[in-house]
Amino acid sequence: NAGVTQTPKFQVLKTGQSMTLQCAQDMNHNSMYWYRQDPGMGLRLIYYSASEGTTDKGEVPNGYNVSRLNKREFSLRLESAAPSQTSVYFCASSFENGRGYTFGSGTRLTVV
Amino acid sequence: GESVGLHLPTLSVQEGDNSIINCAYSNSASDYFIWYKQESGKGPQFIIDIRSNMDKRQGQRVTVLLNKTVKHLSLQIAATQPGDSAVYFCAENGGAGGTSYGKLTFGQGTILTVHP
Repeated sequence: NAGVTQTPKFQVLKTGQSMTLQCAQDMNHNSMYWYRQDPGMGLRLIYYSASEGTTDKGEVPNGYNVSRLNKREFSLRLESAAPSQTSVYFCASSFENGRGYTFGSGTRLTVV
Repeated sequence: GESVGLHLPTLSVQEGDNSIINCAYSNSASDYFIWYKQESGKGPQFIIDIRSNMDKRQGQRVTVLLNKTVKHLSLQIAATQPGDSAVYFCAENGGAGGTSYGKLTFGQGTILTVHP
């Protein structure tokens, strides 16, 4: 039982490059989330997926897209990376009512 | 929009002391609250949760208190140890129903430093 697995753990991009952050969970959770965490700040919700087949914007969605590939996987895509997207990205999953909320170990992204 | 906030951004204690970390929330519809611990370079780890129909819940060395009247949440850590040094976040779920249910809103965090 791995919980929430994120790949890659580290990434450096040049401005304008694109990439996809992968997230998978094996806890049979219906809901999945992508957060970003900037230095000295709390987590801010980028996008979430309440259930397979649905996605919704969170607090800071601009510059990102997501895909809920199946119940287990939820990916985050940066189409044209910008330095402002330098951050640590966390994926999380939970049951519908928020119980069992579990985070991955994070992806540290630097855009130069 | 509504948010969760913390009273104290930093807290320093001596090993063996009890620690209290506070959190104010503003969404009166929230019915589920969680405390997380985040160590440097790691993702947030679940510590303890509480539903709004309770005012106290205890775990191993940790207690969460919920005061719905003043919308206040606290985390008490007994006999604090150096390994407890981390950033602690409170989070609330925004209440049942609607699009916010299940999504967590996080406070900015309190840095707890435990001195040996």
